[in-house]
Amino acid sequence: TQLLEQSPQFLSIQEGENLTVYCNSSSVFSSLQWYRQEPGEGPVLLVTVVTGGEVKKLKRLTFQFGDARKDSSLHITAAQPGDTGLYLCAGGTDKLIFGTGTRLQVFP
Amino acid sequence: ETGVTQTPRHLVMGMTNKKSLKCEQHLGHNAMYWYKQSAKKPLELMFVYSLEERVENNSVPSRFSPECPNSSHLFLHLHTLQPEDSALYLCASSQEFVRLSGNTIYFGEGSWLTVV
Repeated sequence: TQLLEQSPQFLSIQEGENLTVYCNSSSVFSSLQWYRQEPGEGPVLLVTVVTGGEVKKLKRLTFQFGDARKDSSLHITAAQPGDTGLYLCAGGTDKLIFGTGTRLQVFP
Repeated sequence: ETGVTQTPRHLVMGMTNKKSLKCEQHLGHNAMYWYKQSAKKPLELMFVYSLEERVENNSVPSRFSPECPNSSHLFLHLHTLQPEDSALYLCASSQEFVRLSGNTIYFGEGSWLTVV
């Protein structure tokens, strides 16, 4: 069974701080996606990474796919209250598997 | 506005009730999905429809019954549910259903279900 473990599970920080969220698996994925889910909403796709070692930037968010395509990280620079939400990674080979999620709270 | 609309947004039902969740996508997609999101579990895929044919059914109890009358609409019929079925039920769609990951999935806002 493919599992995607995310860490930390919960994160509370002050506005302006930096943070990194990790997504790890023992399985190799053909690609990996990151979603953000705000309270009361469905998940929204942020990025898809497909190549081992690939780095993608989306404003203050930096996504990296591990060289072996088993893990990924999401780094947020100078977090803002609008970044608050549940961050989900998702990967798979024959179907999309979602991670356990990281719940981020950014306080003003 | 995500292009995927779910109704109702909130539903409270007794264990002997029969109710339905509705999903409509306005994106012209060919694949539609039902996911279950519980507090302490990863997002779980329940059903997948591609071109109105069910292509995946992940060991979901028969008290959940999906229906896809056309490529724009998806229903989840609920009957004799248990309290542990209380969760957020998310509908989603994608252009095509392909078994390889990387397919972009668009989610609705979800229907919060409470079984009492």
